[in-house]
Amino acid sequence: EPEVTQTPSHQVTQMGQEVILRCVPISNHLYFYWYRQILGQKVEFLVSFYNNEISEKSEIFDDQFSVERPDGSNFTLKIRSTKLEDSAMYFCASSLESRAEAFFGQGTRLTVV
Amino acid sequence: KNQVEQSPQSLIILEGKNCTLQCNYTVSPFSNLRWYKQDTGRGPVSLTIMTFSENTKSNGRYTATLDADTKQSSLHITASQLSDSASYICVVSWNYGGSQGNLIFGKGTKLSVKP
Repeated sequence: EPEVTQTPSHQVTQMGQEVILRCVPISNHLYFYWYRQILGQKVEFLVSFYNNEISEKSEIFDDQFSVERPDGSNFTLKIRSTKLEDSAMYFCASSLESRAEAFFGQGTRLTVV
Repeated sequence: KNQVEQSPQSLIILEGKNCTLQCNYTVSPFSNLRWYKQDTGRGPVSLTIMTFSENTKSNGRYTATLDADTKQSSLHITASQLSDSASYICVVSWNYGGSQGNLIFGKGTKLSVKP
């Protein structure tokens, strides 16, 4: 069964460092998303991406964040200068259509120290 | 403000029993409502997705209902199993400006099924 895969599963980084979280969406999906979940809190929307551009983003997704689809399979989230409060589980998701079921990856746990 | 509220926050039931989880939302314009199951430390997995015109949808032992007039949904779990222990998250999708919608998540109900 096709699935969304994320790497790494756990990333530890020092405050101020850049991190890149990687995702391989389901191959025929057209819409891609990043979400985050701070420990013990609800999942929060960060950004949606369609047709090689950001379609929507939340207030959380400030200038420190960027997304890219560098090739036909990968979808990345970059945090330029990490802060302690960026520590969270980051989920990538993809869907065939914007209103269709979104399939989530297993997440990358980012720990900023 | 678009919000999704779930109750109860947590629930403990005995294996084999049924339970019902509640979701109220104030999201407009409404596109669809989804229920996800999230095991600890894992990504959410979709259980059901319902549009405005659907009142009920089943997926095995899971049955979701939707009342779009009162903006309420419920998830009923029948004959619970130990593996049902997880957080159950109500998610509402909305659209604005003609662009793609995004998802608004509830905080989830943490269900524990005991033997």
